[in-house]
Amino acid sequence: GDSVTQTEGLVTLTEGLPVMLNCTYQTIYSNPFLFWYVQHLNESPRLLLKSFTDNKRTEHQGFHATLHKSSSSFHLQKSSAQLSDSALYYCALSPDSNYQLIWGSGTKLIIKP
Amino acid sequence: GALVYQYPRRTICKSGTSMRMECQAVGFQATSVAWYRQSPQKTFELIALSTVNSAIKYEQNFTQEKFPISHPNLSFSSMTVLNAYLEDRGLYLCGARAQVNYAEQFFGPGTRLTVL
Repeated sequence: GDSVTQTEGLVTLTEGLPVMLNCTYQTIYSNPFLFWYVQHLNESPRLLLKSFTDNKRTEHQGFHATLHKSSSSFHLQKSSAQLSDSALYYCALSPDSNYQLIWGSGTKLIIKP
Repeated sequence: GALVYQYPRRTICKSGTSMRMECQAVGFQATSVAWYRQSPQKTFELIALSTVNSAIKYEQNFTQEKFPISHPNLSFSSMTVLNAYLEDRGLYLCGARAQVNYAEQFFGPGTRLTVL
């Protein structure tokens, strides 16, 4: 079935270092939609990035990700971490535009001074 | 812009009682509304999907008898947690889509349910 895998449950980084959170997915559909959501403490998830175009980089608020259908990946990256980036990050898949979201298990990102 | 409101934001109920939560779409017509639950320390699970002019589709482990949903028009949906117990606690999210063939959902702030 369709699934999303986020291998890191917790990532701890020092401020200023680059961020990379992994996301891979499985689906039989050839045109999936991939999303990154960020959830701060006691808040609901907020859309950070989305993509459905193969090999096209999408950017928002300093974060970027590229959907690679060949490797079924949509890794989240940022060149320099900030303290305010500390949050839960969820990768989510919509296998087809008619489908609901399938969520990854989430990665908790902690940025230390 | 498209906004989704949820009410109440937080609620506490006694074990065995029921609790109703609401979802309101503003600025667009919510042709489909999905209800999700995030249990403590867990990811989001889809409870059910409600699409206008179609039957409400519940995911495995969730039933209409436990989580009845109403979607009477294109701007409003409600869900009740019947006979709530400790395992029902968590953040309940409403995700609304403006068009049937449109992947992005707009989320409300969620209703956080505590069961005593």
